[in-house]
Amino acid sequence: DAMVIQNPRYQVTQFGKPVTLSCSQTLNHNVMYWYQQKSSQAPKLLFHYYDKDFNNEADTPDNFQSRRPNTSFCFLDIRSPGLGDAAMYLCATSMALSEQFFGPGTRLTVL
Amino acid sequence: KNEVEQSPQNLTAQEGEFITINCSYSVGISALHWLQQHPGGGIVSLFMLSSGKKKHGRLIATINIQEKHSSLHITASHPRDSAVYICAVPPPGGADGLTFGKGTHLIIQP
Repeated sequence: DAMVIQNPRYQVTQFGKPVTLSCSQTLNHNVMYWYQQKSSQAPKLLFHYYDKDFNNEADTPDNFQSRRPNTSFCFLDIRSPGLGDAAMYLCATSMALSEQFFGPGTRLTVL
Repeated sequence: KNEVEQSPQNLTAQEGEFITINCSYSVGISALHWLQQHPGGGIVSLFMLSSGKKKHGRLIATINIQEKHSSLHITASHPRDSAVYICAVPPPGGADGLTFGKGTHLIIQP
């Protein structure tokens, strides 16, 4: 089945230790998104790729970076995680301006 | 930025009841999304609509573009419908990405 896969599902890191979250898709969608969802809050868009074009939200901290080496994969890098970065990170894909398909999320814990 | 308001924030109903969740937004859009999120995090897209009404099984979504308002209805509600229902809209200008409402936490009791 075509799908959006996120690895790992659960990630524990230490304060300040870089971490990378992975997203892959078999849908061949040209847009990939990263959302951050903190406890009891709505998801918040961090950035998205339209093909290889990176689009950063104005209020996304510099601590968050992303890479998209090819159509299928997209990575979220957190350079120096703080306690406030503990959240569920959701990857989604779509064709342009179309319905979005979400992965199961990676729950990040920062110790 | 588009402001998205949902009501109610929490809703508890009995099995079989007709459910209505409302969403309003501040800036004109090309399409609105309704999504469902179950405990544990997974989000599923229910509808994307730009006008009128869409129906899928027991779920019905309507939108009034002029009034900047949408509703999600569930007919013959069932405990398995218990979830958070989220309304989301694209940014002004029609770019990709979504701004989410805070969600409606729905509990259907048997």
